[in-house]
Amino acid sequence: EIVLTQSPGTLSLSPGERATLSCRASQSVYRSYLAWYQQKPGQAPRLLIYGASRRATGIPDRFSGSGSGTDFTLTISRLEPEDFAVYYCQQHGSSWTFGQGTKVEIK
Amino acid sequence: EVQLVESGGGLVQPGGSLRLSCAASGFTFSSYWLSWVRQAPGKGLEWVANIKEDGSEKYYVDSVKGRFTISRDNAMNSLHLQMNSLRAEDTALYYCARYDSGGEGYFDYWGQGTLVTVSA
Repeated sequence: EIVLTQSPGTLSLSPGERATLSCRASQSVYRSYLAWYQQKPGQAPRLLIYGASRRATGIPDRFSGSGSGTDFTLTISRLEPEDFAVYYCQQHGSSWTFGQGTKVEIK
Repeated sequence: EVQLVESGGGLVQPGGSLRLSCAASGFTFSSYWLSWVRQAPGKGLEWVANIKEDGSEKYYVDSVKGRFTISRDNAMNSLHLQMNSLRAEDTALYYCARYDSGGEGYFDYWGQGTLVTVSA
């Protein structure tokens, strides 16, 4: 099973700042089948990025994904108030697994 | 608009059973794999099970193999999860999710979840 480790656990930033979230896999992710999700309190997760770098339908272009192999990054170029949430990465290669999440909180 | 609405959660004793359902609308149900993903209170997401469009392939996380069964009714646009021999560690919010049709392994739409609590 591929284990995904996200860092940092919590990111404290101000609106307008850039957020950089990391997701590291214990083995290479097959064909970069790596997705990112956003989850706000009391809500279901929302797909942001799939295939490591492709934005899902309706996702603003301030969200971008990059990486391959074992190292992946989600970048939010300028944080909007609605972006403060928990973010999860997820892979499909060997089964389906999620990272433990990164909370982006208001500083 | 894609909609997924879960039902069937509740309080059950350890060793008991529960059947979750998910009613789908807004897309061609029989053309998509579907999934269950759970989230324990205050914890992260855990994939539970997937089922192929025609129900011919099913996959489970190791911790539920032999206890949970995923199924679907394409005529009724519904997905189910039969959960037997429930344990305290199965306590979670269970989400129904649509699985990417291209086989790239992501979940593109999610329901709001149904809460399962396993406790004496």
